Amino acid sequence: GDSVTQMEGPVTLSEEAFLTINCTYTATGYPSLFWYVQYPGEGLQLLLKATKADDKGSNKGFEATYRKETTSFHLEKGSVQVSDSAVYFCALRRSGSARQLTFGSGTQLTVLP
Amino acid sequence: NAGVTQTPKFRILKIGQSMTLQCTQDMNHNYMYWYRQDPGMGLKLIYYSVGAGITDKGEVPNGYNVSRSTTEDFPLRLELAAPSQTSVYFCASSSGTGGDRDQPQHFGDGTRLSIL
Repeated sequence: GDSVTQMEGPVTLSEEAFLTINCTYTATGYPSLFWYVQYPGEGLQLLLKATKADDKGSNKGFEATYRKETTSFHLEKGSVQVSDSAVYFCALRRSGSARQLTFGSGTQLTVLP
Repeated sequence: NAGVTQTPKFRILKIGQSMTLQCTQDMNHNYMYWYRQDPGMGLKLIYYSVGAGITDKGEVPNGYNVSRSTTEDFPLRLELAAPSQTSVYFCASSSGTGGDRDQPQHFGDGTRLSIL
């Protein structure tokens, strides 16, 4: 079945540091890939997405590129802020499904001032 | 602009009790979902619905029931609460129309449920 594997957390960075959160997936066909963010006490919010190979999703300074050859969708940001502290989830949606998402286990990011 | 609203936010149940988690959305979305989130884990799909009157099982449906009598509402029912159902429950919705086939899922703020 489909699966998403994220790098183990938690991750702690200083403000303005470079961020990478690794995500790899297993799925048949050509899934769409997503990053969601969850702030404390809130539901998940879509951060960015990519629907086909070599697409780059971007939002709020975050970027991720759909790499089919390595089945990866790593999240990056050049300079993190304290306000980026949250849990980040990688997810996929298999083509043809009823928009169901398969999530990774999440990575807790803490940014220190 | 309410989006997806879940009630209650917190609840403690005794083993064997029943309850209904409410979810309503005001975006006229066709697709609705229930997930559970266990500590340190990703979200797992319990049930989903592609429209009023249509529901289907997700990855972890045992111990739960759902109904979808209207487009807006998608309640989740626990009939005989068990400690294994202690979790945070999220409801989500998404559009089933539009040129972008990957309309994002919009999530509620969750219901934190403890079974003691």
